Amino acid sequence: IAGITQAPTSQILAAGRRMTLRCTQDMRHNAMYWYRQDLGLGLRLIHYSNTAGTTGKGEVPDGYSVSRANTDDFPLTLASAVPSQTSVYFCASSDSGLGELFFGEGSRLTVL
Amino acid sequence: GENVEQHPSTLSVQEGDSAVIKCTYSDSASNYFPWYKQELGKRPQLIIDIRSNVGEKKDQRIAVTLNKTAKHFSLHITETQPEDSAVYFCAAKNKLIFGAGTRLAVHP
Repeated sequence: IAGITQAPTSQILAAGRRMTLRCTQDMRHNAMYWYRQDLGLGLRLIHYSNTAGTTGKGEVPDGYSVSRANTDDFPLTLASAVPSQTSVYFCASSDSGLGELFFGEGSRLTVL
Repeated sequence: GENVEQHPSTLSVQEGDSAVIKCTYSDSASNYFPWYKQELGKRPQLIIDIRSNVGEKKDQRIAVTLNKTAKHFSLHITETQPEDSAVYFCAAKNKLIFGAGTRLAVHP
């Protein structure tokens, strides 16, 4: 059982480039989330999706977009990367309602 | 929107002592309050959670208390051990907004 997987695990990117972080879960969870974690700081919610076909903005959505075409996949796209988007990105999923968040391993992104 | 504040940001204790981390939240509609532990270089993992219809929950050495009136909840770790050293995050539903985290160091 894979759980929730993210790709790539690490990426160095030139500023201005477009980048998509992939997230896939096989637990049939309805809700999925993207967080960023900067060095020494907590987890900040970027975007979320309560169910396939719907998305919502979190605390820090600017510069990011998401889509939820199906239950399993929740990609995060940086249309034009900037150095301030250097961070570790965590994808997570949970059952709808009150449930535990299951996190992916994280994707370390460096924008130069 | 929801705002979650967590204190302290760092906490250092001697092995065997207790540790307490506190969080406050702003959205009175929040009804689920989990705590996550993140070891260095790893993903956060749930250690305990509490729903709004319960005032306290305990699991071995860890416990969480909730005061809905005051809108705060706390994590209590008793008989701390070096392997408890990590960053701990509280969170509040809706939309699972996390506190800024507490770096706990347990010294032998």
